Amino acid sequence: KQEVTQIPAALSVPEGENLVLNCSFTDSAIYNLQWFRQDPGKGLTSLLLIQSSQREQTSGRLNASLDKSSGRSTLYIAASQPGDSATYLCAASGNTGKLIFGQGTTLQVKP
Amino acid sequence: GAGVSQSPSNKVTEKGKDVELRCDPISGHTALYWYRQSLGQGLEFLIYFQGNSAPDKSGLPSDRFSAERTGGSVSTLTIQRTQQEDSAVYLCASSGMNLGYGYTFGSGTRLTVV
Repeated sequence: KQEVTQIPAALSVPEGENLVLNCSFTDSAIYNLQWFRQDPGKGLTSLLLIQSSQREQTSGRLNASLDKSSGRSTLYIAASQPGDSATYLCAASGNTGKLIFGQGTTLQVKP
Repeated sequence: GAGVSQSPSNKVTEKGKDVELRCDPISGHTALYWYRQSLGQGLEFLIYFQGNSAPDKSGLPSDRFSAERTGGSVSTLTIQRTQQEDSAVYLCASSGMNLGYGYTFGSGTRLTVV
């Protein structure tokens, strides 16, 4: 049974810092891994999707890496801004597309 | 449509009543998923549709919960005899045939059972 864990649960940083959010999963037979952002009271916004055959994906200041053998993914946020404050969720998918989510990391970027 | 549409956005119902939640996926997306997010909890898988069939309904919490999808498009999640523990945000997502397309989530329906 796939389990996804995110560390840390919460993170507070000053504006401008580079930061890393961690995600680990127990079953390496994943189809893809996706990072989402959730703002309070809102739905989920997809940030990056990494196929199982890929090692990383980049979008602007965001970079996500995937190491299937060790069951880990990281989300790197460069030059953080107050607008990056949100909860970040990672989710691992099997071949049916069913997503197993971590509990999320709540990020606060202070001006 | 351009995105996944869910209705209603908010629903307050009395304990014991039935409710129907609706999801309109992105046109052409064959896969549709329902998830539930309770206060302070993570996202919990409920059911997955491929076309009109549901090969995985393992996350439905009880037989009070059911879902259907018609025409390979709109899906409704029905909760019968609602209980207070059903209060949560119900999220719908859709994905193209190639799962590499990723998932697009709707904004959710916030259900409050009083």
